[in-house]
Amino acid sequence: TQLLEQSPQFLSIQEGENLTVYCNSSSVFSSLQWYRQEPGEGPVLLVTVVTGGEVKKLKRLTFQFGDARKDSSLHITAAQPGDTGLYLCAGGGDYKLSFGAGTTVTVRA
Amino acid sequence: GAVVSQHPSWVICKSGTSVKIECRSLDFQATTMFWYRQFPKQSLMLMATSNEGSKATYEQGVEKDKFLINHASLTLSTLTVTSAHPEDSSFYICSARPPQAGGPNEQFFGPGTRLTVL
Repeated sequence: TQLLEQSPQFLSIQEGENLTVYCNSSSVFSSLQWYRQEPGEGPVLLVTVVTGGEVKKLKRLTFQFGDARKDSSLHITAAQPGDTGLYLCAGGGDYKLSFGAGTTVTVRA
Repeated sequence: GAVVSQHPSWVICKSGTSVKIECRSLDFQATTMFWYRQFPKQSLMLMATSNEGSKATYEQGVEKDKFLINHASLTLSTLTVTSAHPEDSSFYICSARPPQAGGPNEQFFGPGTRLTVL
């Protein structure tokens, strides 16, 4: 089983501040996914990174895949209350996904 | 595209009864679906992989006789929690992967089913 470590576990910030969530592993992944989950709902896929060193932007969210494809980060610029949720990174082989423990982000208005 | 639905969204049952949860891929065919369990403020725990036309593959520690999985068609998988007990109360989520040979392992999740066993 490929393990993914996410940090921090919890993050509470004021609206307008920036934040970064990290996802690290000792294993190489062919791809990594980032999901956001709101209470009582299923996770929603935000992005998939495939190439080492890849950077993808989704509005105020920036995702980076490490050069060695063992780690990834999610950076949110000027966070808004709507960014509140559980952020999960996931990676895996051909079919099963391994999930990080998740980062609970709370953005206070 | 890549929409997955679950039914019911929540269910309350008495201890000892069985509960069936359905997972459907609405706009694609899925030979493989996945069932997860999630406790409050925790990540997803994979319970089993549902394979169309064959037996499900269960993760270590998951009782296959307790959590019956049937993947009868390319768009439907069901999870039946048999003889449910209060400790089975949880949020159950399914996912499916659209067919994309050689592509990244992206899974799309249903909205989840909240099971409460009294």
